Amino acid sequence: LAKTTQPISMDSYEGQEVNITCSHNNIATNDYITWYQQFPSQGPRFIIQGYKTKVTNEVASLFIPADRKSSTLSLPRVSLSDTAVYYCLVGTNSGYSTLTFGKGTMLLVSP
Amino acid sequence: EAGVTQFPSHSVIEKGQTVTLRCDPISGHDNLYWYRRVMGKEIKFLLHFVKESKQDESGMPNNRFLAERTGGTYSTLKVQPAELEDSGVYFCASSQSGYGGYTFGSGTRLTVV
Repeated sequence: LAKTTQPISMDSYEGQEVNITCSHNNIATNDYITWYQQFPSQGPRFIIQGYKTKVTNEVASLFIPADRKSSTLSLPRVSLSDTAVYYCLVGTNSGYSTLTFGKGTMLLVSP
Repeated sequence: EAGVTQFPSHSVIEKGQTVTLRCDPISGHDNLYWYRRVMGKEIKFLLHFVKESKQDESGMPNNRFLAERTGGTYSTLKVQPAELEDSGVYFCASSQSGYGGYTFGSGTRLTVV
């Protein structure tokens, strides 16, 4: 399984755009990149998934360069409620694959 | 639709006792997973059910852990006898076949004293 590397923590202020970059140098051809968000006392929550280029949904955007060795989760205009741990995971999209969590990035949004 | 439900939300037991955790996946999700995070560690995979069959149980720490999914609906994870190092948060997740997005429950916090 491809290993991922992310910042341990990030600080931001309300209304700013936050970009969290994840490195996955050993990503395989069949691997997708998935981001999860976790609040205290809750389970991880799926945010976005992509294979290449750019993916956007109502919550975030995911930018993946051509070599796919890294990816960037972009959160537009964060609010206090976006304070959470964000995990970058790499794996197949079969629905059968298990998830390998790293330490994640603790995002703290301040007023 | 209802999400993944786990019960209890928190359990405190003494070392040597037995505890059973329950997970109700989203209706129609064939895949059911158990994960756990022990204090200060990363979330780790325990096992994976496809319907009622164990697809992968490579993450189960030892034979004190027994998972079942009778009828391919809800699942239970029994720890017997519990040890101090079993303390942590146990998460259940489910997914549809062919789709990589998992839905996690809120977890069961297990404290063994």
